[in-house]
Amino acid sequence: QSVLTQPPSVSGALGQRVTISCTGSSSNIGAGYDVHWYHQLPGTAPKLLIYGDSNRPSGVPDRFSGSKSGTSASLAISGLQAEDEADYYCQSYDNNLSGNWVFGGGTKLIVL
Amino acid sequence: EVQLVESGGGLVKPGGSLRLSCAASGFTFSSYTMNWVRQAPGKGLEWVSSMSSSRSYIYYADSVKGRFTISGDNAKNSLYLQMNSLRAEDTAVYYCTTQRGGDLGAFDIWGQGTMVTVSS
Repeated sequence: QSVLTQPPSVSGALGQRVTISCTGSSSNIGAGYDVHWYHQLPGTAPKLLIYGDSNRPSGVPDRFSGSKSGTSASLAISGLQAEDEADYYCQSYDNNLSGNWVFGGGTKLIVL
Repeated sequence: EVQLVESGGGLVKPGGSLRLSCAASGFTFSSYTMNWVRQAPGKGLEWVSSMSSSRSYIYYADSVKGRFTISGDNAKNSLYLQMNSLRAEDTAVYYCTTQRGGDLGAFDIWGQGTMVTVSS
C-alpha cells in the first residue's frame, strides 16, 4: 500500500482532458513538500513530467499541468493524444519515514 | 549528453549477493544527490536508497536497510549498490537516478534500468 494514493486507472477520449489525483497526508504533501510527476511508457524508464508541483521540464508540452492543494495534488492532461497512454506516478517527500521519498502506486492512462 | 547507464543485474539465488553499477556522464556527478529506485514486475516505483552530493549522507528504505549498501566513486563518476542477503521480493528492475535540482528536487535523470531476479 503506497503512502501516496492514486487511482489505478483513468481513461479519456482523444482530444479530451483528464486529471489524475494524488492524495497524501500531513507528513508529505500536506507539509508543503513538492510533488513531482513521472510518466512511463511500457518497457521504458520513468521520465520526469512535472517538478515542483507545477513546473514542466524543457520539452514537455504545455498540455501537461500540475497543481497542489492541501494534502492532494493533481496532474491534468489536455488534448489527449494516443502517445499519452502510459503509467503516471506522483512523488513527494515524507518527514515521517526514514529516507523519506515516497511514490504513488501509479495510474494507467487509457486513451480511447 | 546527460546519461546514466546501469549494469550488474542478473539471476541470483535467495541469500546471494549482487553489485549494481551506474555510470554517469554529461554532468558533474560529484555535485548531485544520487538514488536507486526499483520496480518489481508489474508493480509501481519504490525508492531504495539515496546518497547526498557530499557522499556523507546516506539513506535506505526500511525494506533494504541492513542488507543493501550504496556507495559512490566521484573519480569514476559511478554509483554502486551492493545487495546482500537477497530475497525473492527484491526481484525488480533497478534504476539509477539523480536530482540536479537539490536534495528535495525531482529525480530528473533516469538510467535504462538493470533487471535483478532472485530465484532458486
